Amino acid sequence: EDKVVQSPLSLVVHEGDTVTLNCSYEVTNFRSLLWYKQEKKAPTFLFMLTSSGIEKKSGRLSSILDKKELFSILNITATQTGDSAVYLCAGGLYNTDKLIFGTGTRLQVFP
Amino acid sequence: GAVVSQHPSWVICKSGTSVKIECRSLDFQATTMFWYRQFPKQSLMLMATSNEGSKATYEQGVEKDKFLINHASLTLSTLTVTSAHPEDSSFYICSASIQGRSGLSPLHFGNGTRLTVT
Repeated sequence: EDKVVQSPLSLVVHEGDTVTLNCSYEVTNFRSLLWYKQEKKAPTFLFMLTSSGIEKKSGRLSSILDKKELFSILNITATQTGDSAVYLCAGGLYNTDKLIFGTGTRLQVFP
Repeated sequence: GAVVSQHPSWVICKSGTSVKIECRSLDFQATTMFWYRQFPKQSLMLMATSNEGSKATYEQGVEKDKFLINHASLTLSTLTVTSAHPEDSSFYICSASIQGRSGLSPLHFGNGTRLTVT
């Protein structure tokens, strides 16, 4: 059975801290690993990773994939209160557009 | 671009009634749309894959007679929760992918529908 597991389940930090969110996966026909940020409504897309070892970066957020060890991390540096959200990772598969979502990590950033 | 519109954003209904939720891709054609369900503080659980012009594919454990899905055009899929019960109360989110990019398409999500069954 396909499975995506995230850790930690929740995280509380102060503004300015750096956080690392983890995502491990066991997905048949794996093709890509995606990260989303979900605040109150729909998830918004952050990154899609398909190759090992190539870091993707957007501002204070960055992510990398390890296809040998079957995991990905999402780093957020100099966190701000606006980073508070649930961060979801998902596995993308060949031959279908459906995504297998992980459990999510709830990040709370306090001033 | 790649906007998905979902309607209504929230609905309250009485037990035993049916509720229809619409999902539209506004600026692209979506041969495939996905319906997810999310309980509080839990992740997105895929309910079904909706294919334009054919029957939906339901995930294990999802009752196809209770959650009716219709994908009549390349821009519209509907989910009807029939004979709703309080345990059906949840957040339902649709998503759509741009045609022909299996596994490489960062699904575009609607804003979700919060269903409360009283």
